[in-house]
Amino acid sequence: AQSVAQPEDQVNVAEGNPLTVKCTYSVSGNPYLFWYVQYPNRGLQFLLKYITGDNLVKGSYGFEAEFNKSQTSFHLKKPSALVSDSALYFCAVRDRGLTGGGNKLTFGTGTQLKVEL
Amino acid sequence: SAVISQKPSRDICQRGTSLTIQCQVDSQVTMMFWYRQQPGQSLTLIATANQGSEATYESGFVIDKFPISRPNLTFSTLTVSNMSPEDSSIYLCSVSPGTGANEKLFFGSGTQLSVL
Repeated sequence: AQSVAQPEDQVNVAEGNPLTVKCTYSVSGNPYLFWYVQYPNRGLQFLLKYITGDNLVKGSYGFEAEFNKSQTSFHLKKPSALVSDSALYFCAVRDRGLTGGGNKLTFGTGTQLKVEL
Repeated sequence: SAVISQKPSRDICQRGTSLTIQCQVDSQVTMMFWYRQQPGQSLTLIATANQGSEATYESGFVIDKFPISRPNLTFSTLTVSNMSPEDSSIYLCSVSPGTGANEKLFFGSGTQLSVL
């Protein structure tokens, strides 16, 4: 079985400060890890993914995430937050050993990021 | 990449009626996925729609309640049947054109359904 935990329902940060949105996962084998963002009244947009290789993954809009196998974490980070980053962020995992592609993704419950002036 | 058009974007429906949601993709894809996003909860996969065969439903979802059509490689519909207030959710269609290292899901903009 695979699962994802996003321990924070909401994260508040001041504009210009660094932000971190936490994600931990559990899989039987090795993971594919993803971050998606959902703006109000919009579908989910892909931010970044970890497949293999470098543990630090860079994605869209200046976001990055670090894969930490020992801590089974994939926290999303940005050095300097913008008000426009305010949105709902989802972490997702798939066990590489499972076939079927997207239909085996498991999503976290989401973290609402609020960036204030 | 893939661009997905989903409609309607929102609807308010009466209990006991049905609503059909349409999803159009700008490229041919083998599988299309239907998700439900309930208020304050994560995305839950309802079913996978394959062209030319019956959809594959996840545990807790049945064809009588959520019939799916997939007439070609760029289009799918999801019907929410005999609706109740518990069906109030956002419904999302998605595709994953790539595989392996190129794998990632693209989503439609969602259908916000409210059942009175």
